[in-house]
Amino acid sequence: AQSVTQLGSHVSVSEGALVLLRCNYSSSVPPYLFWYVQYPNQGLQLLLKYTSAATLVKGINGFEAEFKKSETSFHLTKPSAHMSDAAEYFCAVTKGDSSYKLIFGSGTRLLVRP
Amino acid sequence: DAGITQSPRHKVTETGTPVTLRCHQTENHRYMYWYRQDPGHGLRLIHYSYGVKDTDKGEVSDGYSVSRSKTEDFLLTLESATSSQTSVYFCAISETGGTHTEAFFGQGTRLTVV
Repeated sequence: AQSVTQLGSHVSVSEGALVLLRCNYSSSVPPYLFWYVQYPNQGLQLLLKYTSAATLVKGINGFEAEFKKSETSFHLTKPSAHMSDAAEYFCAVTKGDSSYKLIFGSGTRLLVRP
Repeated sequence: DAGITQSPRHKVTETGTPVTLRCHQTENHRYMYWYRQDPGHGLRLIHYSYGVKDTDKGEVSDGYSVSRSKTEDFLLTLESATSSQTSVYFCAISETGGTHTEAFFGQGTRLTVV
């Protein structure tokens, strides 16, 4: 069965520092992986998705993620954090059956210090 | 932004009462989903629909029912609300059921059961 694990419920970085949010997946079939962002009191917005076309995926707002099959990982990075990046980030995988069911990780809240 | 409207946005209700949440879309997307978001659990799928009158259960469907009589509307009913159903509920839509199709989320409904 597909699942995702996000390491660290909270990550704190200084403005300008590297952002690294970790996601490991478990999947019996080739996975389709996603990162979503949730700003306070908002719904979720897609940051990027992996669909097997390329292992390094670029998303919106300067974020990118690298799919590493050997490590079953799909970590999210951004070279330089901005205050506006403070939000909750969710890694997700599709269940792989005929319906589009997203299985979410528990989320990582990113705090950006001035 | 995708045309998804959830109503109400906030609701407080008493234990044992029925509650209906509404999701309305203007995108004519086939698939609609109800998720609940709880701290430490990410988002969990309650029910989903793959067409008018076609619905199926998600991972946390007990105590919930859904109906979809029109493409644009997907209703979630708590038959007899309990305190464990206090949560933030999100509706999502997707155009197709493909495993890498993007899902769009509504703004959420914060439900408190007292």
